[in-house]
Amino acid sequence: QQQVKQSPQSLIVQKGGISIINCAYENTAFDYFPWYQQFPGKGPALLIAIRPDVSEKKEGRFTISFNKSAKQFSLHIMDSQPGDSATYFCAARDYNTDKLIFGTGTRLQVFP
Amino acid sequence: GAVVSQHPSWVICKSGTSVKIECRSLDFQATTMFWYRQFPKQSLMLMATSNEGSKATYEQGVEKDKFLINHASLTLSTLTVTSAHPEDSSFYICSASMDSGANVLTFGAGSRLTVL
Repeated sequence: QQQVKQSPQSLIVQKGGISIINCAYENTAFDYFPWYQQFPGKGPALLIAIRPDVSEKKEGRFTISFNKSAKQFSLHIMDSQPGDSATYFCAARDYNTDKLIFGTGTRLQVFP
Repeated sequence: GAVVSQHPSWVICKSGTSVKIECRSLDFQATTMFWYRQFPKQSLMLMATSNEGSKATYEQGVEKDKFLINHASLTLSTLTVTSAHPEDSSFYICSASMDSGANVLTFGAGSRLTVL
């Protein structure tokens, strides 16, 4: 009930390509869905976030698509760059407990 | 933007000693701070939630006597790993929120603890 399932575990994309990471959840109490980017040895940094009343949010090269009925959301990175190589975590906030639950992470490698 | 500073960024200690990790919100007052633990190539696991002026709430399976959390002011929370053992070696990350929950979290850079 509390899990956020994330896939794929790792992703290799060529420079200029589109990186797509998917997440799914079951808990209907989740009301806020952020994506975090983490470089090795660093803390996660908020990349982009969405609320369930919106189906898509775009910020620069990053887009979140949200399907409330399917309880799925995804991150699309357009024109992927080597500097995007990092681990990406989706997350979901439970409004009952006020806690942020993280997905298992996706290690993205973008090759030139 | 909101900045969370964590110190030390890495620490090595002997088994049986205690280690304190500080988490400071530099440009905002953090009503709530969260402590996470992350093993290599794994996700972040919430350890505890601390609210200023009250006792921390620990997640199931986290020993509160082992991981002491103090949130004495709106800008500082500390995590003390008491009587550390090698299995406590991990990456500890704090995060802070300006509101009372996990709405918009800013994370610190993390503290890598190695217990010999």
